[in-house]
Amino acid sequence: GENVEQHPSTLSVQEGDSAVIKCTYSDSASNYFPWYKQELGKGPQLIIDIRSNVGEKKDQRIAVTLNKTAKHFSLHITETQPEDSAVYFCAASNGNQFYFGTGTSLTVIP
Amino acid sequence: GAVVSQHPSWVICKSGTSVKIECRSLDFQATTMFWYRQFPKQSLMLMATSNEGSKATYEQGVEKDKFLINHASLTLSTLTVTSAHPEDSSFYICSARATLTGELFFGEGSRLTVL
Repeated sequence: GENVEQHPSTLSVQEGDSAVIKCTYSDSASNYFPWYKQELGKGPQLIIDIRSNVGEKKDQRIAVTLNKTAKHFSLHITETQPEDSAVYFCAASNGNQFYFGTGTSLTVIP
Repeated sequence: GAVVSQHPSWVICKSGTSVKIECRSLDFQATTMFWYRQFPKQSLMLMATSNEGSKATYEQGVEKDKFLINHASLTLSTLTVTSAHPEDSSFYICSARATLTGELFFGEGSRLTVL
């Protein structure tokens, strides 16, 4: 089955700096890679996703890159703000099941 | 963006009673919905996969007679925790996979406390 690994588990950055979270996957059949932001006491919120036919996708301060050959994908947040503080989960999907990373707790220090 | 409504958002019940949690996709159809349990500061633990019109598929170690799942329509799935015990206290989250796009959207979660 698919195995998704996510690093780092915790990340602290100064406000305005960039944050990068990395994930790897094992199943070459995975073709859809969403990222979720979860605030305390709430459900995860889809913030950006990328499909296997694309190498990079950007939405304002958030970008995701995908390297299919190496089987890894990354989330990049630029100009971080305190409200970016949350737990972020990556996921890999083959169209049926979704496999999640273990999460990264991001703290943006004002 | 697509909305998944989950309720109740929190519930307190006595040991031995049953609790039903609803998960609705408000503006899209979802042939498949998933139910998770999340412990503090941990990742999402998949409990079961629910497909519209068929029986749910449970993950290993999840008691299907205790966690009853029904997916009667393309927009509604329910999770019933039967004969709840304090160890069932947890944060339960549903998600719905949009049939047309394959995107996965989560509900807001339900905090269950069993006294």
